[in-house]
Amino acid sequence: GAVVSQHPSRVICKSGTSVKIECRSLDFQATTMFWYRQFPKQSLMLMATSNEGSKATYEQGVEKDKFLINHASLTLSTLTVTSAHPEDSSFYICSANPGGIYSNQPQHFGDGTRLSIL
Amino acid sequence: SQKIEQNSEALNIQEGKTATLTCNYTNYSPAYLQWYRQDPGRGPVFLLLIRENEKEKRKERLKVTFDTTLKQSLFHITASQPADSATYLCALVADSSYKLIFGSGTRLLVRP
Repeated sequence: GAVVSQHPSRVICKSGTSVKIECRSLDFQATTMFWYRQFPKQSLMLMATSNEGSKATYEQGVEKDKFLINHASLTLSTLTVTSAHPEDSSFYICSANPGGIYSNQPQHFGDGTRLSIL
Repeated sequence: SQKIEQNSEALNIQEGKTATLTCNYTNYSPAYLQWYRQDPGRGPVFLLLIRENEKEKRKERLKVTFDTTLKQSLFHITASQPADSATYLCALVADSSYKLIFGSGTRLLVRP
């Protein structure tokens, strides 16, 4: 089945550090990938839609300069949390749909990245 | 406003019983609805998808119903097992969009 791999699984770093998270589709091409953030005991909140070869689309309230997204190939999207602060500590999850964004096929999710900013 | 609501309280049941989880939505008209399972520290895993013209969908011990009049989906796990303990999320695609919107999830605990 379709597999999405996310790396790293856990990051602990000091305030002010920039952190890059990778999301790869291992056995399918994904022109679009999605980045979510999940706080404890809360739902997944869509942050942005990553588009291969073009700019990402950010949800309302998400700072594009804070959360840089690059989707340079059909199998890789990266999310960089720039100058991270403790309030950015969260669980970040990516997903992709093998059938494309308008497909009614389910999303396939990475295993998430637990980001902890000290 | 548009909302997807799941019972935020954990559902605690005895092994072997049927677990029933509820997902209610308002101000959406989804063509289909999905259910995912999420274990602690992991990403969601797809379980079932049910379309608006389907009343019921089954997969092994899982059953999902979809009532577009009530704007509700029910998720059942029969003969529950401790390994079924997890958080279950319902999700739908917002109208005229491709974006998957999630409920807050219900945590299921199955006691041995």
